[in-house]
Amino acid sequence: KNEVEQSPQNLTAQEGEFITINCSYSVGISALHWLQQHPGGGIVSLFMLSSGKKKHGRLIATINIQEKHSSLHITASHPRDSAVYICAVRRGYGGATNKLIFGTGTLLAVQP
Amino acid sequence: GAGVSQSPRYKVAKRGQDVALRCDPISGHVSLFWYQQALGQGPEFLTYFQNEAQLDKSGLPSDRFFAERPEGSVSTLKIQRTQQEDSAVYLCASSRGLRGDSYEQYFGPGTRLTVT
Repeated sequence: KNEVEQSPQNLTAQEGEFITINCSYSVGISALHWLQQHPGGGIVSLFMLSSGKKKHGRLIATINIQEKHSSLHITASHPRDSAVYICAVRRGYGGATNKLIFGTGTLLAVQP
Repeated sequence: GAGVSQSPRYKVAKRGQDVALRCDPISGHVSLFWYQQALGQGPEFLTYFQNEAQLDKSGLPSDRFFAERPEGSVSTLKIQRTQQEDSAVYLCASSRGLRGDSYEQYFGPGTRLTVT
């Protein structure tokens, strides 16, 4: 079993829909990251959080440390949101323990 | 300021060839990570540098993989005698420091290696 699991693996939505992507992890962590990867492109960090909730524009990320679960929400989705969204966890507090353990990603397609 | 850059962006190698992949981290970033991303999968950790010291190489899949960062800035990932299973995107990431908000990792565009 992977240490970081995401669901769904694939998601198709209509423009304007509210989208939720879920991430569960099985190890102790110091922080959780949500990342975005466009086809053929590099990875962009969306959020880094260790508790509570963060919001940036139409994106909201929440984390429940006790339940080892995080969600990424996209409000008023748009075709330009189409990408792979990856959840990754960091276990430690310095040096090599900062290496990220990644989920397999959620491929999101938003149709106009 | 410039982000993390990697070169080449694409590399096609014949099985058995040696390849060298380069990463230029953000200037002044102490930490540098290499990750391998197979098609349809999430990235997986390969190795970590703190300045010029390679502190963790536990993710390197075999002794054909070698990484260095001799002056604590540019890093090179070398793969000897490439095999088809080495085909993947190789991602480099750097972070400013060791603690607090300096943990955030900035990723390069990746090098897509195809071994034929």
